[in-house]
Amino acid sequence: EPEVTQTPSHQVTQMGQEVILRCVPISNHLYFYWYRQILGQKVEFLVSFYNNEISEKSEIFDDQFSVERPDGSNFTLKIRSTKLEDSAMYFCASSGLAGVTGELFFGEGSRLTVL
Amino acid sequence: AQSVTQPDIHITVSEGASLELRCNYSYGATPYLFWYVQSPGQGLQLLLKYFSGDTLVQGIKGFEAEFKRSQSSFNLRKPSVHWSDAAEYFCAVGAYSGGGADGLTFGKGTHLIIQP
Repeated sequence: EPEVTQTPSHQVTQMGQEVILRCVPISNHLYFYWYRQILGQKVEFLVSFYNNEISEKSEIFDDQFSVERPDGSNFTLKIRSTKLEDSAMYFCASSGLAGVTGELFFGEGSRLTVL
Repeated sequence: AQSVTQPDIHITVSEGASLELRCNYSYGATPYLFWYVQSPGQGLQLLLKYFSGDTLVQGIKGFEAEFKRSQSSFNLRKPSVHWSDAAEYFCAVGAYSGGGADGLTFGKGTHLIIQP
């Protein structure tokens, strides 16, 4: 069964360092998303991406964040200068259809710990 | 803006007993509603979704949910739980703007514990 894969599963970094989280969406999907979940809190929408550009982003997704689809398979989330409060589980998701009519398939998450 | 409330942080149910997880939403128009499950170390898996039509929707793993507009609720139910149902359950609401990829708003989740 096709699945969304994320790497790394866990990354520990020092505050101020750049981090790149990688995702391989399901191959024929067109819509890509990043969500995050701070420990003990709700899953929060960060950004959605379609046709090589951002479709929608939340207020969390400030200038420190960027997304990119550098090739035909990867979808990355970059945090330029990490802060302690960026520590969270980051989920990538993809969908074959637009908006909420398409089921979002989630990866297993990348846990980011900022020290 | 839409919001989702899951009032129960933890619920403990005996194996074989029935289950109801509560979800209330706030949204100005007809919402698109979802329930996701997250098992330990796993990603989020869609259990069921409601867009329109019959207000009682059936999902995978024997789950169902009922949309009640008058109560702004979308509670998840299962008549008889199994130990493998122990997981975190998330209710989510979506808004379809007619174009582009829209984000979902999730509740804080309910942690389901199954007692033998």
